[in-house]
Amino acid sequence: IQMTQSPSSLSASVGDRVIITCRASQSISNYLNWFQQIPGKAPKVLIYAASNLQSGVPSRFSGSGSGTDFTLTISSLQPEDFATYYCQQSYTTTFTFGPGTTVDIK
Amino acid sequence: QVQLAESGGGVAQPGRSLRLSCAASGFTFSKNGMHWVRQAPGKGLEWVAVIWNDGSDKYYADSVEGRFTISRDNSKNTLYLQMNSLRAEDTAVYYCARAVGGYKGKGDVFDVWGQGTMVTVSS
Repeated sequence: IQMTQSPSSLSASVGDRVIITCRASQSISNYLNWFQQIPGKAPKVLIYAASNLQSGVPSRFSGSGSGTDFTLTISSLQPEDFATYYCQQSYTTTFTFGPGTTVDIK
Repeated sequence: QVQLAESGGGVAQPGRSLRLSCAASGFTFSKNGMHWVRQAPGKGLEWVAVIWNDGSDKYYADSVEGRFTISRDNSKNTLYLQMNSLRAEDTAVYYCARAVGGYKGKGDVFDVWGQGTMVTVSS
């Protein structure tokens, strides 16, 4: 299963609404996770099973989608949200990650 | 608290071997599947391998199949990655990650990650 993300990068301002999309090459039901990675740090799970917020993650993060098309939304971008975001499928035991979307400061 | 700590990284020549370890603490290690994920410098995340909680099954990325072996010692709360026939393209930070929520891997969520250990393959 191949995973694609768009855009590959974006520039945004604090307070902006940001939407990142992820597409799977075949249906993965809702077996889709989203991770945030700050440079030099390990990835952190934000959303699991497409739309479930991981414990401790701020509610400005949300996920939706099923089948092949998914979105990660940040409702109001905060300074600590400037990072790279990865989607990942856990439908098959190849656990493919998307190529990432880098969110930087406009 | 729940923690994972990788060790064993370093510099190796092409064709040589390295063994990475991941020490787990703060949870019942034998109840969770475990994964290795790597990240080449300046690149994205690449899943490497998974092992079930009891070690009964293992899966690998095509890029490492036949060269890398994942294993675990539940009595020592430790995960391993034996890396043989290393190539320049194996140069990366290697992370171990705990899996929760899945069944036989399906639905796994990587909820805890180590800090990573750097492997450099160079002559």
